[in-house]
Amino acid sequence: GDSVTQMEGPVTLSEEAFLTINCTYTATGYPSLFWYVQYPGEGLQLLLKATKADDKGSNKGFEATYRKETTSFHLEKGSVQVSDSAVYFCALNSGTYKYIFGTGTRLKVLA
Amino acid sequence: EADIYQTPRYLVIGTGKKITLECSQTMGHDKMYWYQQDPGMELHLIHYSYGVNSTEKGDLSSESTVSRIRTEHFPLTLESARPSHTSQYLCASSEGGGRTYEQYFGPGTRLTVT
Repeated sequence: GDSVTQMEGPVTLSEEAFLTINCTYTATGYPSLFWYVQYPGEGLQLLLKATKADDKGSNKGFEATYRKETTSFHLEKGSVQVSDSAVYFCALNSGTYKYIFGTGTRLKVLA
Repeated sequence: EADIYQTPRYLVIGTGKKITLECSQTMGHDKMYWYQQDPGMELHLIHYSYGVNSTEKGDLSSESTVSRIRTEHFPLTLESARPSHTSQYLCASSEGGGRTYEQYFGPGTRLTVT
């Protein structure tokens, strides 16, 4: 079945550092890929998405590229801020009712 | 901005009580979902609905039940709460029609059963 694997956290960075959170997937067909962010005490919010190979999703300085050849969708940001501290989830949907989520990666950014 | 609401946000209740967690969305989405989120953050699908009068159990076995009498409303009920039900419950919705649609999440209900 479909699955998503994310790097384990927590990830601790200093402000203005470069961020990469790795995400790889297995899926039949051509899934859409998503990154969600969850701030403390809140639900998940869509951060960005990509619906086909080589698409790049971007939002709020974050970006991720759908790489079919490596089955990856790594999240990157050039310069993180304290306000980026949150839990990040990679997810996919292959066209069924079901969204497959990774286990989440906690990011802590220190001032 | 997503218009999906959950009430209450926090609930502390004693063992054996019946509770209903409310979820409403104003986007007209056909698909709605309930997830249980454990302290390790992982999301577990416990119920979903394709539309009115359509509900299915998810991957994680749950003693809760759901109903979908109106498109916008998807309440979750526990007939007899137990400490093992203590968790964060997240409601979500999405447009029907295919893999490109994202889910919209409510703010969650944090349930504590004492």
